[in-house]
Amino acid sequence: KAGVTQTPRYLIKTRGQQVTLSCSPISGHRSVSWYQQTPGQGLQFLFEYFSETQRNKGNFPGRFSGRQFSNSRSEMNVSTLELGDSALYLCASSLNRGVNYEQYFGPGTRLTVT
Amino acid sequence: AQKVTQAQTEISVVEKEDVTLDCVYETRDTTYYLFWYKQPPSGELVFLIRRNSFDEQNEISGRYSWNFQKSTSSFNFTITASQVVDSAVYFCALSEPPGANNLFFGTGTRLTVIP
Repeated sequence: KAGVTQTPRYLIKTRGQQVTLSCSPISGHRSVSWYQQTPGQGLQFLFEYFSETQRNKGNFPGRFSGRQFSNSRSEMNVSTLELGDSALYLCASSLNRGVNYEQYFGPGTRLTVT
Repeated sequence: AQKVTQAQTEISVVEKEDVTLDCVYETRDTTYYLFWYKQPPSGELVFLIRRNSFDEQNEISGRYSWNFQKSTSSFNFTITASQVVDSAVYFCALSEPPGANNLFFGTGTRLTVIP
């Protein structure tokens, strides 16, 4: 069974630009969560999508948004990029909502903002 | 508010030594879940264990064991007879309430096992 895949794996953008990251969950998984990992702030929850609806959101500005498609694939978008947005963005999928369902993480997309 | 503290930033041990990674958490909820994840150099977070707040039994899985003590709000992780492949960053995390998928992570402990 294929794991969680994230594309692209590496990305370099300039301040002020926008970026879209993609996450394909494990087949059959319906919940997708996004996390940001930086050296300064560590791992922080961005948002969770289930059945194409955002179910939970972390403490991030509105420049961070996401969506989920009917096949459970998810995208996250960051507009007006800032230097501080440089991070590893991790996507996790689980069969269903709730902590009873183990979250499987992808390899991440490393975003560098210059 | 939720908080997870991993006071050990980096630990180095010689292969075959035992090592314990500490995790202390804060929560106001009576129902919560605790997790340990491993992040090897490849970057993916690998799930190791999940424990709910009502189950204080210690758990052993091969060379890994976990000690959950609600009285001290700690969920420590021990690797017995460490191996080079255990070298990674280990994260402790907390989730609440039960219906949510969002995890609050500690800052991680980088473990280096020296051959």
